[in-house]
Amino acid sequence: QVQLQESGPGLVKPSQTLSLTCTVSGGSISSGGYYWSWIRQHPGKGLEWIGYIYYSGSTYYNPSLKSRVTISVDTSKNQFSLKLSSVTAADTAVYYCARGGATITGPFDYWGQGTLVTVSS
Amino acid sequence: QSVLTQPPSVSGAPGQRVTISCTGSSSNIGAGYDVHWYQQLPGTAPKLLIYGNSNRPSGVPDRFSGSKSGTSASLAITGLQAEDEADYYCQSYDSSLSRYVFGTGTKVTVL
Repeated sequence: QVQLQESGPGLVKPSQTLSLTCTVSGGSISSGGYYWSWIRQHPGKGLEWIGYIYYSGSTYYNPSLKSRVTISVDTSKNQFSLKLSSVTAADTAVYYCARGGATITGPFDYWGQGTLVTVSS
Repeated sequence: QSVLTQPPSVSGAPGQRVTISCTGSSSNIGAGYDVHWYQQLPGTAPKLLIYGNSNRPSGVPDRFSGSKSGTSASLAITGLQAEDEADYYCQSYDSSLSRYVFGTGTKVTVL
């Protein structure tokens, strides 16, 4: 059973960089075949896809966030990470990591429990 | 801003059937991209409920079913149970926006 767990600071100051890590267990990122995504949910709102990374390191980002987002992978630790720069209060959200499908339009079949990140001074 | 539109809420008595619509456009559902559905219980992460328009992952009761036609998709819950009270989201890919898109979400209430 694949499990994902987000970790990182729960409070980030405005203009700083939000950094989160997703640790994957029960399956290896480097075995390939899946796209690993970050998704966020603003308080009381819907879901917004942020971007994904493939085990090879290739990435694809939501065009509306692309200028501020970097997703990286560390296959030796079976982790992938999110950096979101120049954050504002509008970036306050629950951030989820999730495994995407074997095809690029496949479903997000495993999710982390989510971590709330608040942007505030 | 969501490009897949869902009704904000639906409700039904225990045992009844409810349906949730997901309306898209020619650049997402109508373009042939698969629709997936997620159930989000209060305070928890979304859980995959239906994938590839109409397929259930292992462990999902057959009370849940999905369909797709044209630029829309639907999720049906038959034999509604109290444990089905949750938010439900559809999801697909949009070629014009070049990103995955989620529906606006529907809250299901069991009366």
